[in-house]
Amino acid sequence: RKEVEQDPGPFNVPEGATVAFNCTYSNSASQSFFWYRQDCRKEPKLLMSVYSSGNEDGRFTAQLNRASQYISLLIRDSKLSDSATYLCVVDNYGQNFVFGPGTRLSVLP
Amino acid sequence: GAGVSQTPSNKVTEKGKYVELRCDPISGHTALYWYRQSLGQGPEFLIYFQGTGAADDSGLPNDRFFAVRPEGSVSTLKIQRTERGDSAVYLCASEAGGTGELFFGEGSRLTVL
Repeated sequence: RKEVEQDPGPFNVPEGATVAFNCTYSNSASQSFFWYRQDCRKEPKLLMSVYSSGNEDGRFTAQLNRASQYISLLIRDSKLSDSATYLCVVDNYGQNFVFGPGTRLSVLP
Repeated sequence: GAGVSQTPSNKVTEKGKYVELRCDPISGHTALYWYRQSLGQGPEFLIYFQGTGAADDSGLPNDRFFAVRPEGSVSTLKIQRTERGDSAVYLCASEAGGTGELFFGEGSRLTVL
């Protein structure tokens, strides 16, 4: 089993749609969780950290379920500019950060 | 500059040659990471420095890969006897004080012919 797995995608959704991405991780000792965004042929950039209580940043909501080792990202009212690859990231015993394979989102006009 | 700087941005080399990739992190960031990314995949961890020392080099695929950070700032990733399978984008990131936010450079795209 891979350390971090994500929905394979791609997701093609119309503008204004709500879309959810799922991520599972294998290391039960992981303490830090993040979603990064990567535009085509660009470097990854932090979208948001994921906290145990769940957190929201505008149209973006992240949830963490430690018991199930599951993380989600919900995007409401999708914009064309949301088109990107979304990377789930989990710390590895506080040493390094493991990236998932990413889920590609295309928001269509 | 304000961000992480990586050079060269593109490197084409022949199989068997030696390559060095350089990373200049954000000033004051003590943690530095090297990842590599192949098309359609997520970044794959290679090595992590805390200051001058390699805190975790478990991601280096074999002994052809080596990285240094002699003064705790600039880092160099060295690849000996390059193979076609080494072709990828090599990403460097720095982190400030255990925040978990990695700031990536634009990457060095390595092509081994």
